[in-house]
Amino acid sequence: KNQVEQSPQSLIILEGKNCTLQCNYTVSPFSNLRWYKQDTGRGPVSLTIMTFSENTKSNGRYTATLDADTKQSSLHITASQLSDSASYICVVRSWGATNKLIFGTGTLLAVQP
Amino acid sequence: NAGVTQTPKFRILKIGQSMTLQCTQDMNHNYMYWYRQDPGMGLKLIYYSVGAGITDKGEVPNGYNVSRSTTEDFPLRLELAAPSQTSVYFCASTKEGPTGYPNSNQPQHFGDGTRLSIL
Repeated sequence: KNQVEQSPQSLIILEGKNCTLQCNYTVSPFSNLRWYKQDTGRGPVSLTIMTFSENTKSNGRYTATLDADTKQSSLHITASQLSDSASYICVVRSWGATNKLIFGTGTLLAVQP
Repeated sequence: NAGVTQTPKFRILKIGQSMTLQCTQDMNHNYMYWYRQDPGMGLKLIYYSVGAGITDKGEVPNGYNVSRSTTEDFPLRLELAAPSQTSVYFCASTKEGPTGYPNSNQPQHFGDGTRLSIL
């Protein structure tokens, strides 16, 4: 069964600190993996998209890694800011004719001053 | 650039009522999608469209209908509202390749959602 699991479910950190969010998937065949940021009351916004051959991709203070062998990804946030408080969603796209995106349930991050 | 616009933002319906959730995009994207997001669950695909006049079912299409008469608009119709349809609905769009094979690395652009309660 195609699944995307994220951990932790929620996380509280102090402003300025770093954190790492995890994503494990069992989706096959694999096409690409995406990280989205969803602010409260808003739609998800794309942070990074990685294909099978990409190990690392950065977007400002966000750095995503992908290990396609172990089917794991992480999102590292450096020098967190209050505006980083949001839900972070891992999404895996399955290869094939059907438009298949499998969404994780998200990690809710709260950055406190 | 407005991106993906959804209306209304909030709505309360009574059981058995019907309504249409509106979605429009101004990016000339060919693919459009409707998702629902329930508490503690990942987004689930309801319907999608690969272009004007073409729609297809997603994972959870029961109780919903869609149409795509133009590239810009992709309305979602609830005919007989049920409490199980209480959710947050998101519309999204993306630009896919000319082959229509949905395996590109283009991100989906989401609207800000419609929060629907059915009582």
